[in-house]
This record gives sequence, structure tokens and C-alpha cells, in this order.
Amino acid sequence: GAGVSQSPRYKVAKRGQDVALRCDPISGHVSLFWYQQALGQGPEFLTYFQNEAQLDKSGLPSDRFFAERPEGSVSTLKIQRTQQEDSAVYLCASSLVRSWLRAKDEKLFFGSGTQLSVL
Amino acid sequence: AQRVTQPEKLLSVFKGAPVELKCNYSYSGSPELFWYVQYSRQRLQLLLRHISRESIKGFTADLNKGETSFHLKKPFAQEEDSAMYYCALSLNQAGTALIFGKGTTLSVSS
Repeated sequence: GAGVSQSPRYKVAKRGQDVALRCDPISGHVSLFWYQQALGQGPEFLTYFQNEAQLDKSGLPSDRFFAERPEGSVSTLKIQRTQQEDSAVYLCASSLVRSWLRAKDEKLFFGSGTQLSVL
Repeated sequence: AQRVTQPEKLLSVFKGAPVELKCNYSYSGSPELFWYVQYSRQRLQLLLRHISRESIKGFTADLNKGETSFHLKKPFAQEEDSAMYYCALSLNQAGTALIFGKGTTLSVSS
């Protein structure tokens, strides 16, 4: 396929509005990750799915952030009552195997990201 | 606390000059370190991982546990090397929790 696909590419939201960001991983990829990248910063881990199971959500900054992957493929990151500090690029990444680091020649594939601006 | 530090926000060199992008880490476990690169208008992609001990596009990086460093080096920079470079550390053996440095912009001019 074309790689990890994220939509929308850009999203402008008014403060207090709810948003939903979509990630289509590469077909068959087991692991899916969400990262938040604020301006001038490196990506910061938000959450990790193995198939439909959310195994790690320790990076979600508040209970306004919610992620799901109900059928083990497409994932949605939802942010409720957006705040200005939520403005960032949200990156999705996927890998074929559960533990890509242990597998020779495996790696993470990143999407182009969704740039969220909260006014 | 686990941390990845890239002290330079911007590194400007001339074509053909040597390049060294610095990365220092703080981690109590056995580190798994990576360099990621993002070219203009492209996605973040893996450049190299220390465990592979390989050279990609002429870049190498050696893990120095004594100095807790993983600097990225290239003997002769090319204009196409201009990009944002991120150093990353995996907090576990599976690779399910990466922490990234803030990145260094490399600008190579002729």
C-alpha cells in the first residue's frame, strides 16, 4: 500500500470543540502508535495498540484524550474540549510485528501526521 | 529520569565538510538507540539503529556507554543530507515506547 495514512492533514478547531483524528496503518500491521509533536519538539509517545488492544496509554496527557482501534486496523484519536495547548502535529506509526525492535530489519512506519491548531 | 538530549538546534556546514550531530541519553537500563530523519515535506523515517552497526547514506553512529552518547557522523556532507534529525531511545526491548530528542536541523550548503 501507500504507507500509513492519516486524515485530515490539517485541522483547525475552536477551543472547546471535540476533534477526531484518523490513522490507517499499513495493512496487516499489528502494532500502532500515536505520538504528539509540539512545535520545536520531538515526537512524544501517547499510546500503543497491539491489534485492537490498547496496551499502553501512559502518554495520554489528560482524560480528554481517548484512542481506539476497535477492529485492529484503523485507529481514531479523539480529543474532547480542545485547549490551545493541544495544538501540535499528531503522528501515527505502525509496525508489522508486536515487538519490532527484536525482529531483524523491522521498523516503525510513520504517517505524515495531522496538524491540529486550536484557536 | 529517561531523557534524550540533542544540544544543537541547528547545525550548518558546507558541502564536503564533516558532520557530527550530538546525542546524549539518560537511561538506567541497556539502551537501544536510533537516529530518525525527516526530509523536507517527507515522513519521519528510520536512518539507523545502533544494534545494526550499519552505515546508511554514509552516516554512522557509535554507542558510547561511558559517555552515554550516540553521536551521528558523516565524513563528507552532501546537500541532500539537509534535514531534521532526531535521536531516539527505546525504553523497552520491544520498541513499544520510544522517547525522542528535540531534533537538530542540519543545513548543508554549497
